[in-house]
Amino acid sequence: GAVVSQHPSRVICKSGTSVKIECRSLDFQATTMFWYRQFPKQSLMLMATSNEGSKATYEQGVEKDKFLINHASLTLSTLTVTSAHPEDSSFYICSARGGGGVAFFGQGTRLTVV
Amino acid sequence: DAKTTQPTSMDCAEGRAANLPCNHSTISGNEYVYWYRQIHSQGPQYIIHGLKNNETNEMASLIITEDRKSSTLILPHATLRDTAVYYCIVEGLSVRFGAGTRLTVKP
Repeated sequence: GAVVSQHPSRVICKSGTSVKIECRSLDFQATTMFWYRQFPKQSLMLMATSNEGSKATYEQGVEKDKFLINHASLTLSTLTVTSAHPEDSSFYICSARGGGGVAFFGQGTRLTVV
Repeated sequence: DAKTTQPTSMDCAEGRAANLPCNHSTISGNEYVYWYRQIHSQGPQYIIHGLKNNETNEMASLIITEDRKSSTLILPHATLRDTAVYYCIVEGLSVRFGAGTRLTVKP
């Protein structure tokens, strides 16, 4: 299947700082990208859907000013967690979907805010 | 996006077929059924998808009922590495996950 690369795989940051996570589709053009967070022993929770060149659509309850999503090209989307706090510690996962309809997922980023 | 219902957990003996059911009674005519799985601490992996015909690939088979209200993912010869959470998703504009089925393959 297609490859989606997510970076970094792990990050530890201090409370109050911002963290940027990158998601790249390596061998296809992603017209739509999705961002999820996952807490231990829970399913993936969709945070936002973004289409290239337009603003992301956030799910209810997700703060758009805290979780900044940029989808500036057909192969790159970024999620920036601003002013991170310990409760933002989680597993963040991106996925990318091209014209074929299948969503391919990154490896995930484990964020720990201390 | 149509909602899906899956059993919380299932066990399967190594080497035997694993049959994972999914109900999607509110699926609309142009929505596909997708299956993904997630092995611990990794991103989900695409397995297979279908619209109304049965599908087979190197990983699994997908059987969709004629009324499209349910489907079954079949892993023909389960191995220990198939232990994972399996998600059935009716994919629309967004890709939303339910609770999935935790499949445990036992020796």
